[in-house]
Amino acid sequence: QKEVEQNSGPLSVPEGAIASLNCTYSDRGSQSFFWYRQYSGKSPELIMFIYSNGDKEDGRFTAQLNKASQYVSLLIRDSQPSDSATYLCAVNQEYGNKLVFGAGTILRVKS
Amino acid sequence: EAGVTQSPTHLIKTRGQQATLRCSPISGHTSVYWYQQALGLGLQFLLWYDEGEERNRGNFPPRFSGRQFPNYSSELNVNALELEDSALYLCASTLGALPQHFGDGTRLSIL
Repeated sequence: QKEVEQNSGPLSVPEGAIASLNCTYSDRGSQSFFWYRQYSGKSPELIMFIYSNGDKEDGRFTAQLNKASQYVSLLIRDSQPSDSATYLCAVNQEYGNKLVFGAGTILRVKS
Repeated sequence: EAGVTQSPTHLIKTRGQQATLRCSPISGHTSVYWYQQALGLGLQFLLWYDEGEERNRGNFPPRFSGRQFPNYSSELNVNALELEDSALYLCASTLGALPQHFGDGTRLSIL
């Protein structure tokens, strides 16, 4: 079992729709959770982070965390073509202070 | 505020040579992380430096090494380069438990 799992996609949504990206993790002691966006050939850019169970909203982005189910998601409202990228879920495990990344989900927003 | 800066942007080497990659963290950040992003393999944790000490390393051979200087900048050295070392090498910095922010990376190509 991979430590952090994401559906590789591509996930295709029409412009203006809600994109839902999901991530599961195996280390039950994980403390913090991050979503990065990576455009082709570029470095990852931090979008959201969440530490506590529940929802956290920032503009068009909402991160959702359920530690009991070991599940974290990212919702993108009013999706735009510029949101088309690979979205990386990252988990900061209890020990070692390293980020463990999922393989990423490719999102395509069609105009 | 200046972000994480990495140099060089691109580096071309041949098998058996040594490569040195450099990273300057965001001002005030004391921790530097190195990650490798090889094609098709996702982001893999390499090394973590904090306050000049190596705190954790990923599953990479000893020919991957580095150091952190008193000004918190860092250097990643890769000895005896192999073809599979071709990848984007990303540096991230943070302070304490704050989210990691990435530099633009160094693309290392081994011929």
